[in-house]
Amino acid sequence: QKEVEQDPGPLSVPEGAIVSLNCTYSNSAFQYFMWYRQYSRKGPELLMYTYSSGNKEDGRFTAQVDKSSKYISLFIRDSQPSDSATYLCAMSAGGSARQLTFGSGTQLTVLP
Amino acid sequence: NAGVTQTPKFRILKIGQSMTLQCTQDMNHNYMYWYRQDPGMGLKLIYYSVGAGITDKGEVPNGYNVSRSTTEDFPLRLELAAPSQTSVYFCASSYSNSRGETQYFGPGTRLLVL
Repeated sequence: QKEVEQDPGPLSVPEGAIVSLNCTYSNSAFQYFMWYRQYSRKGPELLMYTYSSGNKEDGRFTAQVDKSSKYISLFIRDSQPSDSATYLCAMSAGGSARQLTFGSGTQLTVLP
Repeated sequence: NAGVTQTPKFRILKIGQSMTLQCTQDMNHNYMYWYRQDPGMGLKLIYYSVGAGITDKGEVPNGYNVSRSTTEDFPLRLELAAPSQTSVYFCASSYSNSRGETQYFGPGTRLLVL
């Protein structure tokens, strides 16, 4: 079993749709949760950062963490063609080296 | 700030050749990382460094070596290239504080080993 499982997609939605991206994990030591966005042939860039359980909202993006279920989600409201990218969840237990464990990524296409 | 820069952008190697992937950051980050990304497999940590002169292995270190003589530079060395090392390589860096999990990535180096 992988430490982090992510729905691989690909996911294709019409412009304006609400998108839900999800990851599950098995390591209960994870306490920092991130979503990275990666455009084609580019490096990942941080989109959302949350610590422990709860919700965090930033514009059209909402990140949710449920540590009891070991489940995290990213919601995108009013999706735009510019949101078309691969979304990677990442997690860390902290520690001195701050190593991240990544999901395999979900490829999203928003159709105009 | 240029952030994290990587060279070259693309390289073709023959089996058994060696090369060094360059990574430089200008954000004065203590922590630096090397990842490889294979299609549909996410990012795998190869090596990391918590400061100049300190390096350690990640999840997939075999076939690679690193050094960290300065805060800014973290080169990745491939010895005796093999087809299994065909991948996209990303360098990243982060602060060594409470937001250390926020890693900043370079644009990547695409490597093809034939």
